Formats: sequence, structure tokens, C-alpha cells
Amino acid sequence: AQSVTQPDIHITVSEGASLELRCNYSYGATPYLFWYVQSPGQGLQLLLKYFSGDTLVQGIKGFEAEFKRSQSSFNLRKPSVHWSDAAEYFCAVGLMEYGNKLVFGAGTILRVKS
Amino acid sequence: DTAVSQTPKYLVTQMGNDKSIKCEQNLGHDTMYWYKQDSKKFLKIMFSYNNKELIINETVPNRFSPKSPDKAHLNLHINSLELGDSAVYFCASSAHYRDTYGYTFGSGTRLTVV
Repeated sequence: AQSVTQPDIHITVSEGASLELRCNYSYGATPYLFWYVQSPGQGLQLLLKYFSGDTLVQGIKGFEAEFKRSQSSFNLRKPSVHWSDAAEYFCAVGLMEYGNKLVFGAGTILRVKS
Repeated sequence: DTAVSQTPKYLVTQMGNDKSIKCEQNLGHDTMYWYKQDSKKFLKIMFSYNNKELIINETVPNRFSPKSPDKAHLNLHINSLELGDSAVYFCASSAHYRDTYGYTFGSGTRLTVV
């Protein structure tokens, strides 16, 4: 069955430090992959997406993600974290053959310390 | 102008009541979705409609009934509310259920059943 695993429930980084959030997926076909961010009490905002082509994708707010088919991974990175990046981050795979539903990981809460 | 708007933002109600959540999108999208985010922040799809036609109907209690009067609206009606229905419900839309461009989410409706 299709699934998304985010191994880290919480991550704490210092402001200005680099960040990597891990995401692994289980899916037989070519995946459509997404990262969303959710600030407390807010909806989900799309950070970036991968459909095909260049495996390194750039998103909003200085985020990037790299698709590695051999590792079934789509890790999110940012070179220098800002305090405003503190939020919960969700990785998702889009299942086109199932009506374009998104299957989400359990989320990673990012805390930024000053 | 809010792209995907949900009303109400908060809903507190007693067990056994019937309630509705409304969703409207002004993006001209064909497909709309309902997702449930439980207390552990896990997101799961409930329904999707494409131009008023039901596309996805996940395993949810039949107390939940979606209604799409037109392609810009997807409402969620819940009968005989139970404590376990307490969650945040997100509406979303995409251009079409066969596209790969991802969703736009609403800001969510926090339902509390007491």
C-alpha cells in the first residue's frame, strides 16, 4: 500500500543553522511528491512539488528538496533557518490513479531556537 | 480574495447534533476535496468531487455526507455527531483530479464535539 514516512516527529535547530527533514515513500509508480507547511492554527501551504525532470526542486521561502528514486526519498532542506520557519512540515505523495488523492506523512514539528 | 474559504472556522457542538461545514473556491478549479486532520495531526482524505461528480469516497461513516451544488462549492454535512468526530476539517481544490499541480487548501474548520 502507498505510504509516506517522516521518521522525525520533532526537530530542533538553531536559528541560522541548516535543516534537513526526511521523507520516505512507498509507491510502485512514478511518484508525485509534495511538501506542505502548517503554522499553528493555519491551513497547509505548498512549499514545493516534484513531478518529473530535475530531481532537485526549488520552492518558496528558500526551501529545496531532492528526489532520490533509489532511496525512495524526498528530503526537504534549507541552508539557513529563520525563527519564522517554526511550524509543522508534511510530506505527501499524490496518487493520480486514485483520483489525485494525497497520502500524507505524520508530519515533523520544527522548533527553532535563538 | 481568499482562494479556498471554509465556514465556520470554529464549531463547537453537542453530541448527537447535525452540523454542516461549507467550502467555496474562486480559483475556477474542477475538483474539490475534504480532508480530516485528527488530534495527532494526521491528515486523511475523506471525499473528492470533480465538477459535481463524486470521485473519491474513502471509508468514512455514512453520517458524513458531502454535497456539491456546483463545482465551486463542496459542503460537508455530519449527522449525529460523536466525540470522535472532533478534528480539523480541511477543504481543498485542484484544477482537475487528473492534474499534477497539487492542491490549494482552505484554512480549516476546527470541530469540537462535547
